Amino acid sequence: EAGVAQSPRYKIIEKRQSVAFWCNPISGHATLYWYQQILGQGPKLLIQFQNNGVVDDSQLPKDRFSAERLKGVDSTLKIQPAKLEDSAVYLCASSLISTGYQETQYFGPGTRLLVL
Amino acid sequence: AQSVTQPDIHITVSEGASLELRCNYSYGATPYLFWYVQSPGQGLQLLLKYFSGDTLVQGIKGFEAEFKRSQSSFNLRKPSVHWSDAAEYFCAVYRSNDYKLSFGAGTTVTVRA
Repeated sequence: EAGVAQSPRYKIIEKRQSVAFWCNPISGHATLYWYQQILGQGPKLLIQFQNNGVVDDSQLPKDRFSAERLKGVDSTLKIQPAKLEDSAVYLCASSLISTGYQETQYFGPGTRLLVL
Repeated sequence: AQSVTQPDIHITVSEGASLELRCNYSYGATPYLFWYVQSPGQGLQLLLKYFSGDTLVQGIKGFEAEFKRSQSSFNLRKPSVHWSDAAEYFCAVYRSNDYKLSFGAGTTVTVRA
């Protein structure tokens, strides 16, 4: 079974530029998550989708971050404009459903973003 | 609020020696607890999870964890570490009020020959 795919794996941009990350979840997984992992910290949830609807985006800085999940499969996370403090690893995860604690979240390899 | 504390930022252990990583949680009801491992340049992989029942949980790669309610702890152990166990380890608690995972800050494990 293929895992969660993410691209690109690495990205270096200058501040005020824009960047986009792509995620393809495990086939059949209804729930998709985007996490931000700053160096030395644990992952922090940015946004959660159930199929193609947003379940929770309370931690997403909406003035600069946006995300969509078209057709309930792939998802894109965008930052525009980027700030220095956005330098982090952006992790995508998926699970079958979101309302059961027994549902394991499967993580992709992440995209490492460096903002100069 | 449900939160997780990992007191050790970095641990160095010799290959073949035992390893124990500490995790403390704060939660009023029965917690649902997880340990994930993140190898360099990789995503997070689930090692094991505790929901209920036997307080000693077996996971993959020879890891186990013990839930101790009296100490609010869920420590991860491995009897004999291998060089491939060098990674960052995250403890997490499932928040039943909003179905979210809350992660600790992680413990980096270095394995010396």
